[in-house]
Amino acid sequence: GAGVSQSPSNKVTEKGKDVELRCDPISGHTALYWYRQSLGQGLEFLIYFQGNSAPDKSGLPSDRFSAERTGGSVSTLTIQRTQQEDSAVYLCASSLPKTGETTYNEQFFGPGTRLTVL
Amino acid sequence: AQSVTQLGSHVSVSEGALVLLRCNYSSSVPPYLFWYVQYPNQGLQLLLKYTTGATLVKGINGFEAEFKKSETSFHLTKPSAHMSDAAEYFCAVGGAGRRALTFGSGTRLQVQP
Repeated sequence: GAGVSQSPSNKVTEKGKDVELRCDPISGHTALYWYRQSLGQGLEFLIYFQGNSAPDKSGLPSDRFSAERTGGSVSTLTIQRTQQEDSAVYLCASSLPKTGETTYNEQFFGPGTRLTVL
Repeated sequence: AQSVTQLGSHVSVSEGALVLLRCNYSSSVPPYLFWYVQYPNQGLQLLLKYTTGATLVKGINGFEAEFKKSETSFHLTKPSAHMSDAAEYFCAVGGAGRRALTFGSGTRLQVQP
């Protein structure tokens, strides 16, 4: 596809259930990011994948959150035992490969998944 | 560590008036600075970025921003607002070695006819 796609666009779940959010990055983009956008707040970094390197998980808020990226393309963000405070828009972004410490490639964002935990 | 402060969660201007959205940052490394725009029910779109070189950067839709190191600022401006500029704007900072961005809390721009 032409851009980053995410599914589902909306997800309503009950407290305590597990959810999986999917991200399809732009073809050829080896860098992939997950962010969370809570109401009235900016975007909060969650996790970053770059090629075959170990992911940067420093932004994950708790061990209920995990993410994987299979085959260097599609990524799935999993939230276990959801809580009401997990309600937010989850955004995925991708970018071209890192080419050096002094370059910075634009991150292209998907439309997000709006998660509502009842 | 990096952080971004956007002054004013809501800004309202008249059509044709100057747009000024403020952004201040802190960074322990030379910063890369970005402005993104988010239209309703859409993803974020890059407006402009500063990495190195000229401190006045021009972006899409007539927006520009100036990196002022002494003031740790990267304010976004547009000489004449258009109704289609109504959206939420996010300032973000990144740095060499850290690929993820740190975002501000956003400024919602309203344009009055």
